[in-house]
Amino acid sequence: DAKTTQPPSMDCAEGRAANLPCNHSTISGNEYVYWYRQIHSQGPQYIIHGLKNNETNEMASLIITEDRKSSTLILPHATLRDTAVYYCIVGRRMETSGSRLTFGEGTQLTVNP
Amino acid sequence: NAGVTQTPKFRVLKTGQSMTLLCAQDMNHEYMYWYRQDPGMGLRLIHYSVGEGTTAKGEVPDGYNVSRLKKQNFLLGLESAAPSQTSVYFCASKNTGTAFSGANVLTFGAGSRLTVL
Repeated sequence: DAKTTQPPSMDCAEGRAANLPCNHSTISGNEYVYWYRQIHSQGPQYIIHGLKNNETNEMASLIITEDRKSSTLILPHATLRDTAVYYCIVGRRMETSGSRLTFGEGTQLTVNP
Repeated sequence: NAGVTQTPKFRVLKTGQSMTLLCAQDMNHEYMYWYRQDPGMGLRLIHYSVGEGTTAKGEVPDGYNVSRLKKQNFLLGLESAAPSQTSVYFCASKNTGTAFSGANVLTFGAGSRLTVL
């Protein structure tokens, strides 16, 4: 599975958009981009995933560049409760392969009042 | 609608003692995983299972054993605990998924904090 590179930390003002970047330059054609977050001391929580098109759900938007070598997770109106470690992961769609996701160190996002 | 439940939540062991962590999921998921997380680090995969009766090694399997006798349960055992196994342990599960929806979407438990003295 391709590796990812994320900044170790970021700050964001409450109510503003938080844009979390991720580089995955070695991503292969059948690998998806997944985002999870982990609020302090809790288990990680799934946010969103995508292949090559931009995706949006009730939590966030995912923007993937045309060459798929990088992506950005957007939290449109960050709140204090969004303070967490955000993990960008690339991996194959599982099914019979049972493919596993590898969690790196992620980005610590701190939302400030 | 419990999702993934881990027991116990906290445990303190002495070096050399044994214990078992239990992970139970009520979502009829095929795949289950055990991760460990050390301070300031990401999650590292210990063992995983792709179905009842199957187990496989992950990234850091040494010192741990697992069993998946029932589909809903995945047990992680420490036969002889060592201080290096002090960590927070997370269990996760996921379904096989179809097409795009649900692929590789893990549901995690709340974690089990283990301290080995």
